[in-house]
Order: sequence, then structure tokens, then C-alpha cells
Amino acid sequence: SQELEQSPQSLIVQEGKNLTINCTSSKTLYGLYWYKQKYGEGLIFLMMLQKGGEEKSHEKITAKLDEKKQQSSLHITASQPSHAGIYLCGADAGGTSYGKLTFGQGTILTVHP
Amino acid sequence: DARVTQTPRHKVTEMGQEVTMRCQPILGHNTVFWYRQTMMQGLELLAYFRNRAPLDDSGMPKDRFSAEMPDATLATLKIQPSEPRDSAVYFCASGLVLAGGGGTDTQYFGPGTRLTVL
Repeated sequence: SQELEQSPQSLIVQEGKNLTINCTSSKTLYGLYWYKQKYGEGLIFLMMLQKGGEEKSHEKITAKLDEKKQQSSLHITASQPSHAGIYLCGADAGGTSYGKLTFGQGTILTVHP
Repeated sequence: DARVTQTPRHKVTEMGQEVTMRCQPILGHNTVFWYRQTMMQGLELLAYFRNRAPLDDSGMPKDRFSAEMPDATLATLKIQPSEPRDSAVYFCASGLVLAGGGGTDTQYFGPGTRLTVL
């Protein structure tokens, strides 16, 4: 089965600082999803990457997928307290299981004002 | 703004009682997922359906858990009998998944049901 490892497990930064969260897969990814979750709430979709070398940005968040499609990074520029939460990456193995996601353990982000 | 809805949002029950969680997927979505989230295990897939047919329930304890889709607007997850180790947040998600692509580019998650079994 596909396993995803996220690093770091937790991150504390000062407002305004840049930060990066990594997600590494044990297998080649068909699709890689990034979600954000606030405590006690559901997951909010951020971005999906599918092509090797692909990069997407939304506001101050940029996600990249490496050429081999086994590693992704999520970069936040000039972090704000509103960025705080749990960030999860999810992998779609594709094939007969397309649409089925396996998730990493999550990265807890704290942003101090 | 279409959303996945889940009821109840919170449930406290005693060990041995039956628990039923309900989910209304977004209209037009053909795939429904049930997840469980705990601090120790993270987010785990329990079961999922496509066009109301169960595709994979390998993540679900078969002896006490059951998942069904009586119709396209309702998915249910039942636990009978419940145990303290079932305490977790249960999420439902839906999406439009097409073999050739062109569906929704993500799963849309509901707000979750927080279950506490005493």
C-alpha cells in the first residue's frame, strides 16, 4: 500500500516568516493533494498536482511536485496567523483505486503574531 | 454553495450502544468516502462507494461497522456495538470521479461527526 510521510510533524514560526512542509511517497504518485484542517473542522482543499515538475500557487501558498512524482512540498510565503492549522497531503494511487486517497500524518503549523 | 453535510455533529454514547452517522453528499457526486481521524492513527479511509456500490471497505472493522448508501442522497455508517476505542471524528467526503478524468479535482469533506464512547 502507498505510504506518505510528512515532515516536519509540527512547525512554529513567527508571523511573516516563510516555511516549507514536505510530503514523501513510497511509490510514484498518480495525484497529490494538499488539504488544510482547522481543529474541530473538516478538511479544506488547497491544491492538486498531477504532472511531474508541476507547480501551483494560490495567494501565498505554492505547492510543487518533483519530476519523479514521489515528493511534494508546500511553501507558505510571509506566513500569517490565518495560515495556522494542520496541513495534510493525500495521495491518489490511480489505477483501479483511482479517487481513493491515502493521507500523511499531517503537519501542525502554529504562527505567532 | 454546495456542501457535504453530516449528522449528528457530536455524539456521546455508552459502550455497547448502536451509533448511526449520516452523510448527504453533494448532488451529482458519484463517489462517497468515510474516514476516521484520531490523534494516534491520523486520517484513515474506512470505506467508499461509487454510484452507490461499495468498492472498498477493507479499512473497516467488519464485525461491528457497516456502511450503506440507501440512495444517492444518503450514506450511513453504523457501529454496533460501539466501544471506547471507536471514539474519533468520522468524516464523510464526496467527489465526482470519472475513469477518463474530467471529474472534480478533489474530494469535498463534510464537517465531521465527533463520536465519544464512554
